[in-house]
Amino acid sequence: GAVVSQHPSRVICKSGTSVKIECRSLDFQATTMFWYRQFPKQSLMLMATSNEGSKATYEQGVEKDKFLINHASLTLSTLTVTSAHPEDSSFYICSARRGQRNTEAFFGQGTRLTVV
Amino acid sequence: GENVEQHPSTLSVQEGDSAVIKCTYSDSASNYFPWYKQELGKGPQLIIDIRSNVGEKKDQRIAVTLNKTAKHFSLHITETQPEDSAVYFCAASDYNFNKFYFGSGTKLNVKP
Repeated sequence: GAVVSQHPSRVICKSGTSVKIECRSLDFQATTMFWYRQFPKQSLMLMATSNEGSKATYEQGVEKDKFLINHASLTLSTLTVTSAHPEDSSFYICSARRGQRNTEAFFGQGTRLTVV
Repeated sequence: GENVEQHPSTLSVQEGDSAVIKCTYSDSASNYFPWYKQELGKGPQLIIDIRSNVGEKKDQRIAVTLNKTAKHFSLHITETQPEDSAVYFCAASDYNFNKFYFGSGTKLNVKP
């Protein structure tokens, strides 16, 4: 299957700083990428959907100024957590969909963010 | 919007037994239903999926059934092995496949 690589896998940052997480589709072009947040022992909550070359669509309740998403190319989307706080600590997962109508979504391995 | 419910939240079986996880969905417009396996500290991996024009799909020890009228679908794992132990998520997608709505997850423990 297709490979989605997420980097870094773990990051610890201080409160008030910003952290960037990268999501790359390694062997296919992803017109659409999704960013999820997962709390311990809970399900994945969709944060936003990004389409290459356009602004991301955020889910209700997700602060777009805090979680900046950029999908500058067909193989790379980035999520920047700005002015991070301890409550932003979570597992962030991206997924990428190949093509316009292809249903299968491939997930990255996730990024464990800890804000201290 | 879509609401996906998943049961049970935890499931313990003996190695070699079968495991069944059930999900229901609310939006009749959903027509794509994937199942994901997530191991600790990793992202979800697609294990099987089914579209609404199919009632059942099988891949070796894994099968998924869909009852579109009742709006429920199930994952069946036969001859379970310890390496099947993980958290399993069901999901439903809207017609344009723009969003995936996930169930709450089932922690499967296969005892050797």
